Amino acid sequence: AQSVSQHNHHVILSEAASLELGCNYSYGGTVNLFWYVQYPGQHLQLLLKYFSGDPLVKGIKGFEAEFIKSKFSFNLRKPSVQWSDTAEYFCAVTTNNFNKFYFGSGTKLNVKP
Amino acid sequence: DTAVSQTPKYLVTQMGNDKSIKCEQNLGHDTMYWYKQDSKKFLKIMFSYNNKELIINETVPNRFSPKSPDKAHLNLHINSLELGDSAVYFCASSQTGGHQPQHFGDGTRLSIL
Repeated sequence: AQSVSQHNHHVILSEAASLELGCNYSYGGTVNLFWYVQYPGQHLQLLLKYFSGDPLVKGIKGFEAEFIKSKFSFNLRKPSVQWSDTAEYFCAVTTNNFNKFYFGSGTKLNVKP
Repeated sequence: DTAVSQTPKYLVTQMGNDKSIKCEQNLGHDTMYWYKQDSKKFLKIMFSYNNKELIINETVPNRFSPKSPDKAHLNLHINSLELGDSAVYFCASSQTGGHQPQHFGDGTRLSIL
């Protein structure tokens, strides 16, 4: 079965610091990759997604992620975080067979003002 | 207009009771889902319906029964509630296809006394 690993469980940064959150998955076939953000007390919102084409995808709010097939990774990056980026970030994977999302365990990001 | 709406937002009840959570989407999607998010924020899929047909049924106690009267609605009924059922339950919807992102409702926080 597919699995998704987010190794950073809790990240604390100061404003303007750069961010990289790791996401690795285990599946040998074609995958679709997503990053979702959950602000405190809110629902999950899509940040960005990759399913084909340029492996470097840009999302909302200045986030981007790079799909590296050889490393089974889809790390999320932002060059300069803001206090408003404080949230929980979830990586998710689906295969082309199905809409079944496999979510990582989430990374909690705290940005200090 | 809210795209995926679920009611109620909060549900506090006693062990042994039966309760329902309703979900409606106005996005014209043909697939709907229920997820359970535990206290550690881990998101796990419970059920998925495509055009009113059950397509994903994870290892969930049979006290949980989904019902989809039409493709815009997916309700979750829970019998004989237990303490371990306390969680946030998210409804989501998407178009069919592994690359399609899912749109989430605001969640229902279920607390069992």
